[in-house]
Amino acid sequence: DIVMTQSPATLSVSPGERATLSCRANQHIRSNLAWYQQKPGQAPRLLIYGASTRATGIPARFSGSGSGTEFTLTITSLQSEDFAIYYCQQYNDWPTFGQGTRLEIE
Amino acid sequence: QVHLVQSGAEVKRPGSSVRVSCKSSGGSLNTYAINWVRQAPGQGLEWLGRIIPVLDIRNYAQKFQGRVSITADTSTSSAYMELSRLRSDDTAIYFCAAHGGYNSAPFDYWGHGTLVTVSS
Repeated sequence: DIVMTQSPATLSVSPGERATLSCRANQHIRSNLAWYQQKPGQAPRLLIYGASTRATGIPARFSGSGSGTEFTLTITSLQSEDFAIYYCQQYNDWPTFGQGTRLEIE
Repeated sequence: QVHLVQSGAEVKRPGSSVRVSCKSSGGSLNTYAINWVRQAPGQGLEWLGRIIPVLDIRNYAQKFQGRVSITADTSTSSAYMELSRLRSDDTAIYFCAAHGGYNSAPFDYWGHGTLVTVSS
């Protein structure tokens, strides 16, 4: 299995600021990387696929970058509704997920 | 647009089996693959396997081989996940999730989740 490692485990940021979340794969996955947002009691929601393409209806403050083994999700001008847990997922092989980054209000 | 509706919460004894259903209320599953993902309390996401209903092709995560069975009924736009020989660490929310096409792909649509509790 491809192992996905996210960092940090928890990120504290103030509303209006920028958050940068990282995801690393233990082998090359090209750009076959997605990001999901999950809020308490809800299913995950697809934010980004192909490492950098926003899913339908996702605001432009969410952006993804990277390829190969290193990936980043950046959220600018954090809104109150953005505080959640974020997961990366590779789909270059059978899917595996990172352990998640909890984005909390500082 | 696919809208996935899952069956209700279950409480099971260790050693028994559970079957969770996932029905598309927004149309046919003929162009989708249905995946099953679980999330233990306070933990991350874990893929169990998937099915391409129109082709009846099934793929399972190695960890669950022999213990999970995923089936589908195209006439009712439904998919099913059965997990056998349940243990307490199988307690989790089980999600179905769909993506278009037949290659591995990100999950565009998710069900609301079904809580399965394994307890004696």
